[in-house]
Amino acid sequence: DGGITQSPKYLFRKEGQNVTLSCEQNLNHDAMYWYRQDPGQGLRLIYYSQIVNDFQKGDIAEGYSVSREKKESFPLTVTSAQKNPTAFYLCASSKGGLNTEAFFGQGTRLTVV
Amino acid sequence: SQQGEEDPQALSIQEGENATMNCSYKTSINNLQWYRQNSGRGLVHLILIRSNEREKHSGRLRVTLDTSKKSSSLLITASRAADTASYFCATGSTGRRALTFGSGTRLQVQP
Repeated sequence: DGGITQSPKYLFRKEGQNVTLSCEQNLNHDAMYWYRQDPGQGLRLIYYSQIVNDFQKGDIAEGYSVSREKKESFPLTVTSAQKNPTAFYLCASSKGGLNTEAFFGQGTRLTVV
Repeated sequence: SQQGEEDPQALSIQEGENATMNCSYKTSINNLQWYRQNSGRGLVHLILIRSNEREKHSGRLRVTLDTSKKSSSLLITASRAADTASYFCATGSTGRRALTFGSGTRLQVQP
């Protein structure tokens, strides 16, 4: 079964903690993306990666970090510097390039307690 | 930055009726895509229309694109209760290697 898997589905973070959200894909896609979604709103781009060992900041990268050591994996760390991390986080992948569709995971809901 | 703005923000119709959602965007694009999101889930790709295309069909979906007006519309014909979801447009542009999403339309189809 090809797809993109995010874990965990729900995550609770204490103030001042770093947490890492997992994203794995077995679609052999070159490109991977992280988006943030706040209630009733659209998706905002955090980071994206077009190829292994390379990634670029999106529109709201402050307080987040990523790595792309393997083609299949693109973990997102929400650091303590992110002042308002409570949100729904979506990971996606695509073949890359123009005119390609994105495949999304089921999301991780992060809540600060 | 949010490239697209959907209109209306929310739409409630009866089963069997048609639903039309509109999307406007600001900069030139290579393609425009529509996605669907069920509550609390990930997005699912519905249809992609390239900038040199004006209309595209997929099952009960019809998408139009007017690049002169920087707008697109998604028509769902003969809607079903299972079509209840949020619908997002997303644009792909040269020089920006990730899709830019609009704010979405929440569609409620009453059985």
